[in-house]
Amino acid sequence: DGGITQSPKYLFRKEGQNVTLSCEQNLNHDAMYWYRQDPGQGLRLIYYSQIVNDFQKGDIAEGYSVSREKKESFPLTVTSAQKNPTAFYLCATRLAGGKDTQYFGPGTRLTVL
Amino acid sequence: AQRVTQPEKLLSVFKGAPVELKCNYSYSGSPELFWYVQYSRQRLQLLLRHISRESIKGFTADLNKGETSFHLKKPFAQEEDSAMYYCALSGTSYGKLTFGQGTILTVHP
Repeated sequence: DGGITQSPKYLFRKEGQNVTLSCEQNLNHDAMYWYRQDPGQGLRLIYYSQIVNDFQKGDIAEGYSVSREKKESFPLTVTSAQKNPTAFYLCATRLAGGKDTQYFGPGTRLTVL
Repeated sequence: AQRVTQPEKLLSVFKGAPVELKCNYSYSGSPELFWYVQYSRQRLQLLLRHISRESIKGFTADLNKGETSFHLKKPFAQEEDSAMYYCALSGTSYGKLTFGQGTILTVHP
């Protein structure tokens, strides 16, 4: 798990601004995921990527965008179109083709002021 | 569609008492079920998965396909078990996890 880093730990944004959350891994995992964690709602999938240069929308992709230019990195941009962006964001990885266990990063707490 | 339901948001027990965290799922195929745990100030981590059929930290969970349940059990709760517990289901090849709403377990001394 120490092989997944997310930065920053806390992030504050003004309404109308885009902000990018970083997720980096050195586990050599192929698949990466972004989840949003809200109290009482569990974790919901935003985007996922199974391979470099390819990604797919999850259940709540509206207002978010991602890129996967490198295997190690899967940044998430929260755009101004996201209606309720204040949340805890978790990045996860999985060794594609192996067991389905996902490993999670420490998370980024985003607060919109 | 796949869905996971954890009916209890909060669960409190005393140390040494048995504990059961409920999880029910809805999925038409053959799912893989997981329990993840999040201790205070720690990242979310896998506790156990049904195909491993193992006991971790004294916890066990049996997949009941007839009742579509995957309840987490421990015969004697410890204070260090206090945490947020999530039940999750994977039913697709790309590893998407569908999580329940989570149950906060508090074990009192």
